[in-house]
Amino acid sequence: QKEVEQDPGPLSVPEGAIVSLNCTYSNSAFQYFMWYRQYSRKGPELLMYTYSSGNKEDGRFTAQVDKSSKYISLFIRDSQPSDSATYLCAMSITGANSKLTFGKGITLSVRP
Amino acid sequence: EAQVTQNPRYLITVTGKKLTVTCSQNMNHEYMSWYRQDPGLGLRQIYYSMNVEVTDKGDVPEGYKVSRKEKRNFPLILESPSPNQTSLYFCASRDLGGSGNTIYFGEGSWLTVV
Repeated sequence: QKEVEQDPGPLSVPEGAIVSLNCTYSNSAFQYFMWYRQYSRKGPELLMYTYSSGNKEDGRFTAQVDKSSKYISLFIRDSQPSDSATYLCAMSITGANSKLTFGKGITLSVRP
Repeated sequence: EAQVTQNPRYLITVTGKKLTVTCSQNMNHEYMSWYRQDPGLGLRQIYYSMNVEVTDKGDVPEGYKVSRKEKRNFPLILESPSPNQTSLYFCASRDLGGSGNTIYFGEGSWLTVV
């Protein structure tokens, strides 16, 4: 089993839809969870960062972590065409100097 | 503006011809790393460096070399490139203090080895 599994996609939704992106992981030592957004021909950029189980909201984005199920999600409300990108989950064991393990990414397309 | 700058952005080269991809960051970060991104395989770490003169292998180091002589620069060297090193490469730097998981990525270098 891979350390981090991410739904392969691609995913296409109409503008205004609620989008749910998910990752599962096998290593219970992971404590830090991140979502990166990558536009075409660009480097990934940090979108959301969470440490504990629970929800974290930032505008239209909500990151959810369920450590007991080893499952993280990113929800996008009122999706916009500008949200069209590849989304990668990432996680690490400790904060500062440990390796980040990335999911493979899922490409989201939001249709106008 | 916080930046990770890598060059070249696009390169086509021939098998066996040594090449270097440069990377520079302006954030005074101690930690720098190189990733390659391939379809279906995601981002895989090649090498990383915790500080000047300190480098270590990532998940896929074969065929690559790095050096860290200055804090801001972290070049990736392909001594004898092969077609399986055709990929999209990202340099990244990271602040080990505070929110240590904020990685800043460069814009990527598309490398084709023929």
